[in-house]
Amino acid sequence: AQSVSQHNHHVILSEAASLELGCNYSYGGTVNLFWYVQYPGQHLQLLLKYFSGDPLVKGIKGFEAEFIKSKFSFNLRKPSVQWSDTAEYFCAVNSYNNNDMRFGAGTRLTVKP
Amino acid sequence: EADIYQTPRYLVIGTGKKITLECSQTMGHDKMYWYQQDPGMELHLIHYSYGVNSTEKGDLSSESTVSRIRTEHFPLTLESARPSHTSQYLCASSEDPARNTQYFGPGTRLTVL
Repeated sequence: AQSVSQHNHHVILSEAASLELGCNYSYGGTVNLFWYVQYPGQHLQLLLKYFSGDPLVKGIKGFEAEFIKSKFSFNLRKPSVQWSDTAEYFCAVNSYNNNDMRFGAGTRLTVKP
Repeated sequence: EADIYQTPRYLVIGTGKKITLECSQTMGHDKMYWYQQDPGMELHLIHYSYGVNSTEKGDLSSESTVSRIRTEHFPLTLESARPSHTSQYLCASSEDPARNTQYFGPGTRLTVL
């Protein structure tokens, strides 16, 4: 079965710092890739998704992610974080052929004002 | 964006009680899911449904059951709750079964004493 790894469990940054959260997956077939965000006390929300085409995808709130097929990676980036970005971030990978969605364990981001 | 509703949001019950967690969506999505979410862990799929009268077990062994009598409604039932069932339960639905973009409800936090 495929798996999704998020290497950082907890990241602490100051406002205006740049962010990169790692995500790697283990499936070799066609995949659809997602990043979800869960703000404190709120439900999981879709941040961005990749299906095909340009491997650099832009999402809401200034986030972007790059799909690197050769590295099985889909890292999330933001050039300048804000205090309001404090949340938990989940990477998810859907196997297109068998419609099997897997989530990473999440990365908790704390942004200090 | 799908509208997914879950009730109750919080539930504290004693061991041995029967409970039903409600989940409804208003977008007409055929595929729906139940996940269990624990801190620092990936989301674990416990049940899913392709549509009315379809229910399947997910990867995580669960003593719960689900039903899908109407497209919009996907309740989860625990016949006899135990402390090991203490967790956050998330309901989701998918607008595109192939690519599987999932939208989540706010969750039910269950505590079994």
